[in-house]
Amino acid sequence: ETGVTQSPTHLIKTRGQQVTLRCSSQSGHNTVSWYQQALGQGPQFIFQYYREEENGRGNFPPRFSGLQFPNYSSELNVNALELDDSALYLCASSSAAGGRWNEQFFGPGTRLTVL
Amino acid sequence: KNQVEQSPQSLIILEGKNCTLQCNYTVSPFSNLRWYKQDTGRGPVSLTIMTFSENTKSNGRYTATLDADTKQSSLHITASQLSDSASYICVVTYSNDYKLSFGAGTTVTVRA
Repeated sequence: ETGVTQSPTHLIKTRGQQVTLRCSSQSGHNTVSWYQQALGQGPQFIFQYYREEENGRGNFPPRFSGLQFPNYSSELNVNALELDDSALYLCASSSAAGGRWNEQFFGPGTRLTVL
Repeated sequence: KNQVEQSPQSLIILEGKNCTLQCNYTVSPFSNLRWYKQDTGRGPVSLTIMTFSENTKSNGRYTATLDADTKQSSLHITASQLSDSASYICVVTYSNDYKLSFGAGTTVTVRA
């Protein structure tokens, strides 16, 4: 167990709906990164939050947005869901921005299915 | 094109046997390379991390090697166990920013 928790575990939505996924970072960590992992693929970087500010973003459209709270927990929001958004969404926490030298600890993920 | 390529895509081995997974990368400038183990439907768990100056790193029955000149890494699993059945992901970090570049993973199935 890494100490990173995510909720919910599974979620089913329909096209056009909106979804919010939640992540609680490991104690002492101030950085949260979000990844999308399609079946059979490696994780794709969505964005990172460091001390409540977005600290970088991957190639995802604006309908993917996020928040980080003062306790360093985080939310990933996806609007106007599309079928291709079906994936495992992973949250990873680390103790400093960048994660270059500091290991990212992953949560168990949220499996999102869009019908 | 993905900057981290892993091979094989999948493999099946008998319990007790050894296997080697490959990772080739084009990420530059390079900071470090990590191998993660991901059980089905779970988040990845770190096995090893190596900087460009390290050639080998072990974690129990897992041994990773790195050749920064040829930009190749391997993960060797010794005396495989049923619990080794998982996806193994190679992750390379850029040295000038936060970005991690993930391979697609190698799915290992260990059979009794």
